[in-house]
Amino acid sequence: LAKTTQPISMDSYEGQEVNITCSHNNIATNDYITWYQQFPSQGPRFIIQGYKTKVTNEVASLFIPADRKSSTLSLPRVSLSDTAVYYCLVGPHGEAGNMLTFGGGTRLMVKP
Amino acid sequence: DGGITQSPKYLFRKEGQNVTLSCEQNLNHDAMYWYRQDPGQGLRLIYYSQIVNDFQKGDIAEGYSVSREKKESFPLTVTSAQKNPTAFYLCASSRNTQYEQYFGPGTRLTVT
Repeated sequence: LAKTTQPISMDSYEGQEVNITCSHNNIATNDYITWYQQFPSQGPRFIIQGYKTKVTNEVASLFIPADRKSSTLSLPRVSLSDTAVYYCLVGPHGEAGNMLTFGGGTRLMVKP
Repeated sequence: DGGITQSPKYLFRKEGQNVTLSCEQNLNHDAMYWYRQDPGQGLRLIYYSQIVNDFQKGDIAEGYSVSREKKESFPLTVTSAQKNPTAFYLCASSRNTQYEQYFGPGTRLTVT
């Protein structure tokens, strides 16, 4: 089971790009990287998932270097509403137990 | 209007009583999950089910029980054996374990 390490918290200002890095040195060949966002007193929401290189959707980008030992979630031009906790998960497709370990996450605070 | 619902939003019980938390989904998802979240912490997996009439223990199953008699429903019972039941409980579902999870709004359980 690949353990992940993220910064506990980050601060940013409205309009800036935010990059949150997740370390997963023991990532296995068949592991995918998934990010979720959670607002207070709500369930997490899926943001993005990737295996290698770069993935982009309407919300964020995910950058994964060739060695896959880390990944970076990039949020372009954040707003106050992006203040939330962001979780990085690493695990293989199809094996529920390994995919479902949420660590402490990164608390992002966006200031005006 | 598809989604995943949990009821009630807030629940209060006396110590020593069993309590059942409801989770229903109309997304036609095969997999369902239960998590527990304590203040300022990440999510911890209690139980998950990949198919009707089958479920597996997660990281913290002691003091909890589940059933999966219908595809749409995955109730969680917090028994009197659970030593610290006060927490925020989140239910989720996914098409199967290869796909992202959709979370319900959560139930905040307080036991005194």
